[in-house]
Amino acid sequence: EVQLVESGGGLVQPGGSLRLSCVPSGFTVSSNYLSWVRQAPGKGLEWVSVIYSGGSTYYAESVKGRFTISRDNSKNTLYLQMNSLRAEDTAVYYCARYNYGNLILDYWGQGTLVTVSS
Amino acid sequence: DIQMTQSPSSLSASIGDRVTITCRASQDISSFLNWYQQKPGKAPKLLIYGAFRLQSGVPSRFSGSGSGTDFTLAISSLQPEDFATYYCQQSYSTPLLTFGGGTKVEIK
Repeated sequence: EVQLVESGGGLVQPGGSLRLSCVPSGFTVSSNYLSWVRQAPGKGLEWVSVIYSGGSTYYAESVKGRFTISRDNSKNTLYLQMNSLRAEDTAVYYCARYNYGNLILDYWGQGTLVTVSS
Repeated sequence: DIQMTQSPSSLSASIGDRVTITCRASQDISSFLNWYQQKPGKAPKLLIYGAFRLQSGVPSRFSGSGSGTDFTLAISSLQPEDFATYYCQQSYSTPLLTFGGGTKVEIK
C-alpha cells in the first residue's frame, strides 16, 4: 500500500528556519516525482515545489529563494528546507507523489502544520 | 501564470440532488484539468483527471467535462459522504501547478 508520512512541523519565529520530511512507503523517492503543497488555515491549496526523478527542482514564486526541496535516496526521504519564514507561510504542508504520466497528484500524506509566529 | 476560478465558492444541496461546480482557466489548458475532494482535517483525494477520466475507485456518480477554458464537475446524486470541498487544478503549465479557490458543498 502506498503511504506518505510527513514530519517536522511546529512553531517557529518569523525569520526562522524549519525542515520538513516526508517518508513514502510503497515506492522510492529516487524514481518518482514528488511535490509539496500547502494550505493556510481556512484557505485553499497552493502548490509549493516539485523535484523530478532526475533531480530537477521547481518552486512557486512565493517561496523561490527561501525554500529548498531535496531528497536522500539512501533514507528514501523527501525534504523541504524552509528559511526566512514569514507569517504567511503558516499552513499545513502536504507531500504528494506527482504522477508525471497523467500529470496528477495521486498520493498524499496527512500533512504537517507549520506555524510562523512570535 | 494560469489562474483558475471556481464557482460557486459554496453551495447548499440536499441528499439526492444533482450538483455542478464550474472551473474556468485564464487561458486555454486543453484537457489538463484535475478535480480533488477534501474533507475537513484530511488530505485531498483525486477524483477526476484529464478533465473527464475517473480515478480508480471513485464512484461513477462523479463526472467531469469540458476543455479549453471551461470545465465542470458534476455529482449526479449527492450522497452524505460527498459533503466536502472540491478543488480544480491545472497541469497544463507543469511543473507549475495551480489550484482553484475551492467549492464547499454543504448540507441544505
